[in-house]
Amino acid sequence: RKEVEQDPGPFNVPEGATVAFNCTYSNSASQSFFWYRQDCRKEPKLLMSVYSSGNEDGRFTAQLNRASQYISLLIRDSKLSDSATYLCVVNGTNAGKSTFGDGTTLTVKP
Amino acid sequence: EAGVVQSPRYKIIEKKQPVAFWCNPISGHNTLYWYRQNLGQGPELLIRYENEEAVDDSQLPKDRFSAERLKGVDSTLKIQPAELGDSAVYLCASSLETGGTYEQYFGPGTRLTVT
Repeated sequence: RKEVEQDPGPFNVPEGATVAFNCTYSNSASQSFFWYRQDCRKEPKLLMSVYSSGNEDGRFTAQLNRASQYISLLIRDSKLSDSATYLCVVNGTNAGKSTFGDGTTLTVKP
Repeated sequence: EAGVVQSPRYKIIEKKQPVAFWCNPISGHNTLYWYRQNLGQGPELLIRYENEEAVDDSQLPKDRFSAERLKGVDSTLKIQPAELGDSAVYLCASSLETGGTYEQYFGPGTRLTVT
């Protein structure tokens, strides 16, 4: 089993839809969590950190469930420009050590 | 503020040849990472530096891969000799520890093709 697993996708949604991705992690002692966005043939870019209390940034909401060991990303009112691969990142007990999921691909269609 | 700089952006070499990648992190970032990313997968950590010390190189194939970060600033990753399976994108990232968390910023990567 991989340390970090993501929904396989791909997700194909119409503009304006709400879509959610989940990511599960195996190390219960993991300390910090992030969502990154990666466009085709580009580098990953930090989308948002995930805080224990949950956090929101515009149309994006991230949540952490330590008991069930998963994080989620909710995108409301999807835009064409949201089309990308979303990578889940988990930092372990050695906080600088990051493990990436394989990503979930989102395509938003007109 | 300048981002993470990597060069070259693309490299095509024949198998058994050597290749080197260079990375200059964001100024002031003391943590530097080298990742390898294969198509359809997430980045896989090869080595992580805290200043000039390699603190995690457990995933680095040490028979053919080497890295250095002299003076704790820029870094070089080398493969010698390259194999067909080394074809991938090599990403460099840097971060500054803030409140126990490490938000990483990536360079554009080097796309390596081994023929």
